[in-house]
Amino acid sequence: GAGVSQTPSNKVTEKGKYVELRCDPISGHTALYWYRQSLGQGPEFLIYFQGTGAADDSGLPNDRFFAVRPEGSVSTLKIQRTERGDSAVYLCASSLRDARGTDTQYFGPGTRLTVL
Amino acid sequence: DQQVKQNSPSLSVQEGRISILNCDYTNSMFDYFLWYKKYPAEGPTFLISISSIKDKNEDGRFTVFLNKSAKHLSLHIVPSQPGDSAVYFCAARYGFNQGGKLIFGQGTELSVKP
Repeated sequence: GAGVSQTPSNKVTEKGKYVELRCDPISGHTALYWYRQSLGQGPEFLIYFQGTGAADDSGLPNDRFFAVRPEGSVSTLKIQRTERGDSAVYLCASSLRDARGTDTQYFGPGTRLTVL
Repeated sequence: DQQVKQNSPSLSVQEGRISILNCDYTNSMFDYFLWYKKYPAEGPTFLISISSIKDKNEDGRFTVFLNKSAKHLSLHIVPSQPGDSAVYFCAARYGFNQGGKLIFGQGTELSVKP
């Protein structure tokens, strides 16, 4: 079946602009996660959705970052007034979160964001 | 505060030999540990996992060992193949009921020489 998809694969923007990054999770997966990966580092957690609601947004670095998942499937990560330090690969993952509790997260290919 | 650490940024192994990748963690509340493999320009691919109540899990050429008292886990790949060359990330999960976010190490780049 289809995996997690993310669009665009690359986004170049100028400092101060607004960007939206999209994630299509695996069909039927109720949980969706956003991570950010900077060069030479492992992915860092940003936000987790269970269904339509943000169950944990403790990783969002500041109020310029916001994410939605209005119908419990596709999610959009929104960044306002982008800064050069926001440049990174933004990864999306989804999981089934079934009763067994194994909850393996499957990742998309990521969106590489470059802020000039 | 780095809760999950992979202290070796790189590892080089000869084809056919064993690769051992190590990972240390500090938080005893982690309930699941996972290894992901990442090729350039791709997202991390799930490899193998282990519950905190077990000490070993095996899947084909891949075995993960967990030593809870030392807060240490390792991934063994045997025999290593050139296609295994990638960056390997260790990740730890906060409890299932805490949302399941993953904390990743910095990664170890494995190079398997033919």
